[in-house]
Amino acid sequence: NAGVTQTPKFRVLKTGQSMTLLCAQDMNHEYMYWYRQDPGMGLRLIHYSVGEGTTAKGEVPDGYNVSRLKKQNFLLGLESAAPSQTSVYFCASSRLEWETQYFGPGTRLLVL
Amino acid sequence: GQQLNQSPQSMFIQEGEDVSMNCTSSSIFNTWLWYKQDPGEGPVLLIALYKAGELTSNGRLTAQFGITRKDSFLNISASIPSDVGIYFCAGQNRDDKIIFGKGTRLHILP
Repeated sequence: NAGVTQTPKFRVLKTGQSMTLLCAQDMNHEYMYWYRQDPGMGLRLIHYSVGEGTTAKGEVPDGYNVSRLKKQNFLLGLESAAPSQTSVYFCASSRLEWETQYFGPGTRLLVL
Repeated sequence: GQQLNQSPQSMFIQEGEDVSMNCTSSSIFNTWLWYKQDPGEGPVLLIALYKAGELTSNGRLTAQFGITRKDSFLNISASIPSDVGIYFCAGQNRDDKIIFGKGTRLHILP
């Protein structure tokens, strides 16, 4: 079991560029989540999904889009990156809604 | 919205000392979770608490679910260098999303 994996591990973007972060889990979890972690801010929920084909907004959804076409994958998209989106992005999954979440290793994004 | 106050924000201790940290909220939670994050890694679950008053241990770690359901405590006994990292508490309520504290950064002095 790889658990939760994230691709890429690190990325540098210029303002206005787009990119997609990929999260994959092999635990057959229904629920998946995207968080961002900023210094002194803890973890903040961006979007989440309660199952294949479903997505919902979290605490800080603006500037991001997500898709859950397959149960094991949860994609986070930035259509037009801004410096304020410089952060570390964590994906997590859980078996049941809001049950114990298992986190990926993170994607470090720098927007210049 | 719901908020968790985690304290202290950071701790500097000597190796071998015991550590205590806590998380408080003005809201009631049904579940309390404690995570540890190593530098450059994602958070890893340490202990999950599901019942008020529950006391659970995981090796040198002990966590308690407060009786009021508004707080939780984590203790680490006889700290070792690999305990360095950021410890997060998180509260879950069936009607709300999981809420994370801002973390306690643990430093161990040689």
